[in-house]
Amino acid sequence: DAEITQSPRHKITETGRQVTLACHQTWNHNNMFWYRQDLGHGLRLIHYSYGVHDTNKGEVSDGYSVSRSNTEDLPLTLESAASSQTSVYFCASSAWAGGIEQYFGPGTRLTVT
Amino acid sequence: AQKVTQAQTEISVVEKEDVTLDCVYETRDTTYYLFWYKQPPSGELVFLIRRNSFDEQNEISGRYSWNFQKSTSSFNFTITASQVVDSAVYFCALKERGSNYKLTFGKGTLLTVNP
Repeated sequence: DAEITQSPRHKITETGRQVTLACHQTWNHNNMFWYRQDLGHGLRLIHYSYGVHDTNKGEVSDGYSVSRSNTEDLPLTLESAASSQTSVYFCASSAWAGGIEQYFGPGTRLTVT
Repeated sequence: AQKVTQAQTEISVVEKEDVTLDCVYETRDTTYYLFWYKQPPSGELVFLIRRNSFDEQNEISGRYSWNFQKSTSSFNFTITASQVVDSAVYFCALKERGSNYKLTFGKGTLLTVNP
């Protein structure tokens, strides 16, 4: 069955370290997204991609970067982790950009100490 | 700019009660899409429904129903005869063409169904 996976599921890191969260989907979807979920804020968009080599900033992109070298993967990198980036991170994908739902991965809980 | 408001932060009901979760949205686009997602205690996000701005028909799926009213910019979600398994955080979300189809979420409503 097609699916979207995230790894690791849990990560503890120290302030200042570079961290990469992986997202892999097997639906062959063009569009992929990264969100963070924080209490009181719901889900907020970090970065998104509408195809290979396409990346765009979301509403909370500072301190994060992504690159899209193939259809299946959109890794999220925290260049220098900060305590404010402690959060649950969700990856999502959809077949196209318009009126269609996104499907979400299981999430990664990141703690920055 | 698009915006989604879920004014109810938490709702608690007793099993078998009906419950309505409110969602009010703001958009300047004439073409937009509305969604509901469920996040159970296990943490995953589950897609429930999608409606587009051209279709105001209400939707019913088992115990779940959705009421879309453009006149009041609302897309409310009703669970009939609630069950303990309905306990979750429910998110309403909006996607509009003018924002490059980015999905904007409300802050969610925590529903607790007590036995």
